[in-house]
Amino acid sequence: AQRVTQPEKLLSVFKGAPVELKCNYSYSGSPELFWYVQYSRQRLQLLLRHISRESIKGFTADLNKGETSFHLKKPFAQEEDSAMYYCALSATYSGAGSYQLTFGKGTKLSVIP
Amino acid sequence: KAGVTQTPRYLIKTRGQQVTLSCSPISGHRSVSWYQQTPGQGLQFLFEYFSETQRNKGNFPGRFSGRQFSNSRSEMNVSTLELGDSALYLCASSLGQGMTNYGYTFGSGTRLTVV
Repeated sequence: AQRVTQPEKLLSVFKGAPVELKCNYSYSGSPELFWYVQYSRQRLQLLLRHISRESIKGFTADLNKGETSFHLKKPFAQEEDSAMYYCALSATYSGAGSYQLTFGKGTKLSVIP
Repeated sequence: KAGVTQTPRYLIKTRGQQVTLSCSPISGHRSVSWYQQTPGQGLQFLFEYFSETQRNKGNFPGRFSGRQFSNSRSEMNVSTLELGDSALYLCASSLGQGMTNYGYTFGSGTRLTVV
């Protein structure tokens, strides 16, 4: 079975400080990992996928298979980054072509002006 | 293009009743998944439908069921409601083709309160 752990429920940083949201996973197969973000009173939305290796809104995340981690990082936090962040792992079910996301419990990022 | 639409936004039901929630995916998306979100358990996978077939099911009792129509719209039903079913129910759509996961697009959810 797969598991995603986000050890911090709440992370507070000052504006301009670096941000690192931790995510560790447990999965026997080859993982596909995602970060989703939920801003206040908005729907859950995809922030980035590990497979695309892109930077979105200044955030990056590198998959470290040795440490089974997928931490989300941003060098300089902005007030508009304040939101709930969820790390998610996609487990594929071969044959069916189906997949499901296993989410971590989320980390609330608060950027202090 | 229109996003994922869930109706209704809010529902209040009594224990023992049943409820039906609706989800219209993004046009062209054939996969619809349902998730339950609660403060205690977080986001949990309920089931996934593709081309009117349930392809995958999470660890929920049989009171939770769903279906998908030929236009990819999906409904989920919860029978014999319990207080613990109070949650935000999220629908997510994706292309659902092949093994590459392009990620979901989520709806705003239906907030179900069981009293």
